[in-house]
Amino acid sequence: EVQLVESGGGLVQPGGSLRLSCAASGFTFNDYWMSWVRQAPGKGLEWVANINQDGSEKRLVDSVKGRFTISRDNAKNSLYLQMNSLRAEDTAVYYCARDGGELLNWGQGTLVTVSS
Amino acid sequence: DTVMTQSPDSLAVSLGERATINCKSSQTVLYRSNNKNCLAWYQQKPGQPPKLLIYGASTRESGVPDRFSGSGAGTDFTLTINSLQAEDVAVYYCHQHSTIPYTFGQGTKLEIK
Repeated sequence: EVQLVESGGGLVQPGGSLRLSCAASGFTFNDYWMSWVRQAPGKGLEWVANINQDGSEKRLVDSVKGRFTISRDNAKNSLYLQMNSLRAEDTAVYYCARDGGELLNWGQGTLVTVSS
Repeated sequence: DTVMTQSPDSLAVSLGERATINCKSSQTVLYRSNNKNCLAWYQQKPGQPPKLLIYGASTRESGVPDRFSGSGAGTDFTLTINSLQAEDVAVYYCHQHSTIPYTFGQGTKLEIK
């Protein structure tokens, strides 16, 4: 059974940083692209970033370029999202997803709240 | 960016009846190298993450009931739910992965009439 478990969310002040993690199991992690998708409270889905199988290709939505970094550690079956210079509009539940183009499996998400 | 527009924003359907949700993309989501429509549909129930229902515009994900079906090509797509069940109450999203950034429709909230 595929499992994706996010962690690292919390309350952070504007301008602060957080590092999200996603622990993957139940599939061959290094066979797949992986994505981060976020959902602001009561709002729709917004794709944030993805990374290819060996980490050599990374793509991000314009609104987070220069502030967020996506990475992975295939030895640990883990995906990461380093978030710097956080803004109020980054407040959301962040999901990691197994990315086959279509997003095949999703974690339960971790809530990031940016507020003073 | 490819803008995905769903209609309607909300929908109330009687149990046992059919629900139809439309999704229009601002540019084609056909990936020419494999002639595949890069269009997926997800179901999100309250307090849960989204769940993949349909990919390639019309292929049902394993384990998804056959009352769910997808159709369309190019820029116009439809999700149909036949014989609506109470457990189908959810928000439904379309998603294109033909171009970066991936984009989603705004969601359609489905309720029971």
